[in-house]
Amino acid sequence: ETGVTQTPRHLVMGMTNKKSLKCEQHLGHNAMYWYKQSAKKPLELMFVYSLEERVENNSVPSRFSPECPNSSHLFLHLHTLQPEDSALYLCASSQDPPGLRADTQYFGPGTRLTVL
Amino acid sequence: GEDVEQSLFLSVREGDSSVINCTYTDSSSTYLYWYKQEPGAGLQLLTYIFSNMDMKQDQRLTVLLNKKDKHLSLRIADTQTGDSAIYFCAESLVSGTYKYIFGTGTRLKVLA
Repeated sequence: ETGVTQTPRHLVMGMTNKKSLKCEQHLGHNAMYWYKQSAKKPLELMFVYSLEERVENNSVPSRFSPECPNSSHLFLHLHTLQPEDSALYLCASSQDPPGLRADTQYFGPGTRLTVL
Repeated sequence: GEDVEQSLFLSVREGDSSVINCTYTDSSSTYLYWYKQEPGAGLQLLTYIFSNMDMKQDQRLTVLLNKKDKHLSLRIADTQTGDSAIYFCAESLVSGTYKYIFGTGTRLKVLA
C-alpha cells in the first residue's frame, strides 16, 4: 500500500462512452500526476497538478480532461476515446511541487483501460 | 529531445548480482530514479540519486552515475526471486518547464 488509491481498477468502454478515473492520496501531498503506460513504450507523463493548479499538460488530446478539486483527489474524465488509448493509467503524488527537490513519487496501482 | 533508454530483459540466477543499465540524453537532469513495478501494481520508488553524486548505496542496492557518459546503473546484490519485476529508470528535469521522463523498463527474471 502506497497511500495512493485508484478506482476503478479495470474499465472497458466504447468509443462513444464518457467515463472518469479517480485517484485519491492519503499522504498529505501537494502534487499529483497522471501517467499513461502502454506496452513496450516509456511511461508518459500526461498531467501534473501542484497545489490544485495544473502546471503541466504534455500535449495530451482534449478527449482526456483532468480535474483536481482538492489536493487529495484527482480525476481523469474520458470521452470519445480511441482504441489506441487502451493502456494502464497510473496516478502518482509527491510531497513537494515538481522540480523543487527529489520528486519521490508514490504511485497508485493503476486503472487498466480497454477501449472497444 | 530527451530520451531514456534501457535494455528490455535481464535474467540472473538467484544469489547472483544483477546490474540494470540506463542511458539518458539530457545533461540538465536534476535527479535520477529507479522504480520497481511488480505485476498488477503501480511503480514503487527504490532509490534516487542527485545528479552531482557518483554513487549511492542502500542495503542491497547500489546506484552508479557516470555523468560524462550519461549512464546510470542499478546493482542488486544477492538477487532473490522476489526481485523479479520491471525496473524503470527515470530522470527529472527543470529547464523552463517541468519534465519527468521514464525509460521503457527492464524486465528482470530471477531463476531459482
